Formats: sequence, C-alpha cells, structure tokens
Amino acid sequence: RKEVEQDPGPFNVPEGATVAFNCTYSNSASQSFFWYRQDCRKEPKLLMSVYSSGNEDGRFTAQLNRASQYISLLIRDSKLSDSATYLCVVTYSGNTPLVFGKGTRLSVIA
Amino acid sequence: NAGVTQTPKFQVLKTGQSMTLQCAQDMNHNSMYWYRQDPGMGLRLIYYSASEGTTDKGEVPNGYNVSRLNKREFSLRLESAAPSQTSVYFCASSGGGLAGGYTQYFGPGTRLTVL
Repeated sequence: RKEVEQDPGPFNVPEGATVAFNCTYSNSASQSFFWYRQDCRKEPKLLMSVYSSGNEDGRFTAQLNRASQYISLLIRDSKLSDSATYLCVVTYSGNTPLVFGKGTRLSVIA
Repeated sequence: NAGVTQTPKFQVLKTGQSMTLQCAQDMNHNSMYWYRQDPGMGLRLIYYSASEGTTDKGEVPNGYNVSRLNKREFSLRLESAAPSQTSVYFCASSGGGLAGGYTQYFGPGTRLTVL
C-alpha cells in the first residue's frame, strides 16, 4: 500500500461548483499534513496546512480525520484559476522528509 | 529575496555524459532536498540534507550524487546520464529540522532530457 494515496482525477467542474478531494495515508504515526498546489509545468507551492481541528482559508477548507487516516480539501465557488494539481503531503516526524501523494488534477471549466 | 533558484532551466544530454544541477536558497534554511517528477509518478525524493555537512539518500538515489557546498547551496550530480533520468528535477528547502511543521519552498525546476 502506498504511503499517501490520492485519486488522480481529473475532476472537471464548472465555475462556481464545490469540489472535494480526499487523500489517505498509511502511517498512523503521521504528524503533520499539508495541501500543496502545482500548476502545469511549475513548482509545487504550499496551499495550506491541515490541523486536527480543521481549518479554512477563504474558499478552501481542509480537514483531518486521524481515526480513518485521511485528509480532505474542499474548494467552494471554484474559479478558473483553481485549475491545477493538488498534492497531499504528510510527515511522520520532525526527522523525516515530507511524503507527497501523486496529486489530483482539477480542471475548472467556464 | 529570490527564494530557491536552480540552474540550468533546461538541459539535453547524451547517454553517458555527466552534469551538475545547481541549487541555491537565500532564506537561511537548514534543510534542502532534491526531487524528480515524472508523469504519473509524482514527486520522488532523491537526496536530502538536513543541515550543512550532512546528506542522506531518499527514495531514488541510484545514479546520483549530491554535495551540500554550504548552507545556501546543494548540488545534484549525474555522473553518467541514462535515458531513465529524463525528468523534471526540483530543489526545495525548509527552515527547521527535517520537514515536520516547516513549509518546503521549491525552485522552478530543471527539465532534463537524456538522449
């Protein structure tokens, strides 16, 4: 079983739609969680960290479910500019590098 | 403040040639990383350096060597390039110890083709 698994998509949604991605991780000792965004042929950039209590940043909401070992990202009122690949990222401890999922591709259509 | 810079941006090599990919960061970060990204494979860690003077293997280190020249610079060397090393290479850095709780900042990438 892969350490971090994501549905590769693509998710094709119309502008204004709400879309959600899930990501599962295999190591129950995982400590920190993030969502990164990667535009086509560009470098990944941090979108948001994921906290145990859940957190929101504008149209984006991230949630963590430790019992089921998954994290989610909800995007409300999708914009064309949200089209990108979203990478789920976990760490196991302060002494191990980040582990990246393969990403979920989102296309927002006018 | 340039963040993480990588050179070159593009490179074409013939099988068996060698080259060094350069990476530098100006954020005073302790940790630096080299990844490769292939279609359908996601980001895979090649080598990392938790601090100046240390380097460790990642998931796919074979065929590569690294040097943490100083706190700012972390280079990746291909001694004898192979077509299987055709990929996009990203360098990244983070401020604290290894990753936990610290954001990784990526360079713009080097697109390498080995013929």
